[in-house]
Amino acid sequence: RKEVEQDPGPFNVPEGATVAFNCTYSNSASQSFFWYRQDCRKEPKLLMSVYSSGNEDGRFTAQLNRASQYISLLIRDSKLSDSATYLCVVRRGSTLGRLYFGRGTQLTVWP
Amino acid sequence: EAGVTQFPSHSVIEKGQTVTLRCDPISGHDNLYWYRRVMGKEIKFLLHFVKESKQDESGMPNNRFLAERTGGTYSTLKVQPAELEDSGVYFCASSRLDQGETQYFGPGTRLLVL
Repeated sequence: RKEVEQDPGPFNVPEGATVAFNCTYSNSASQSFFWYRQDCRKEPKLLMSVYSSGNEDGRFTAQLNRASQYISLLIRDSKLSDSATYLCVVRRGSTLGRLYFGRGTQLTVWP
Repeated sequence: EAGVTQFPSHSVIEKGQTVTLRCDPISGHDNLYWYRRVMGKEIKFLLHFVKESKQDESGMPNNRFLAERTGGTYSTLKVQPAELEDSGVYFCASSRLDQGETQYFGPGTRLLVL
């Protein structure tokens, strides 16, 4: 079973739409959770960490459900520049160690 | 502040040849990671250095892969001899020991083995 499972999409939405991505992780001992963004043929870049209480950064909201081992990312008021692949990432350690990646969910925002 | 750099950006080699990839982490970052993305699959961990020591090399696929980080600065990943299934994008990432939360990734080396 994969460590992190994501719906690969693609998601195609118009500008201004709200879109949600989900992922699940298999190891209940995981302690750190992230969403990374990867533009075409570029490196992954940290979008936001995900905390147990949920957290928001502008138009982006991340949620974590430890009981269900489920992580979500909500993007409100989508912009053309949000088009990218969104990677759900998990780490077993709280501060250090290898990252486990999902395959990524592809988002295209059209005008 | 300069980011993580990797060299070369692309490499095309024939099966059986040797290739060496280089990663220069962000200055002051003691943690250095190697990851690989094979086409159609997720990014997977290869190994983790803390300074010059291998902290975790459980992701290395086989003994054709050799990673070094002499002096605790830049790192090299050598594949010898290369096989077709080694094709993919090799990413390097670094982070600070006292701020291990965020790993910063380099642009990757695209390796194609023919």
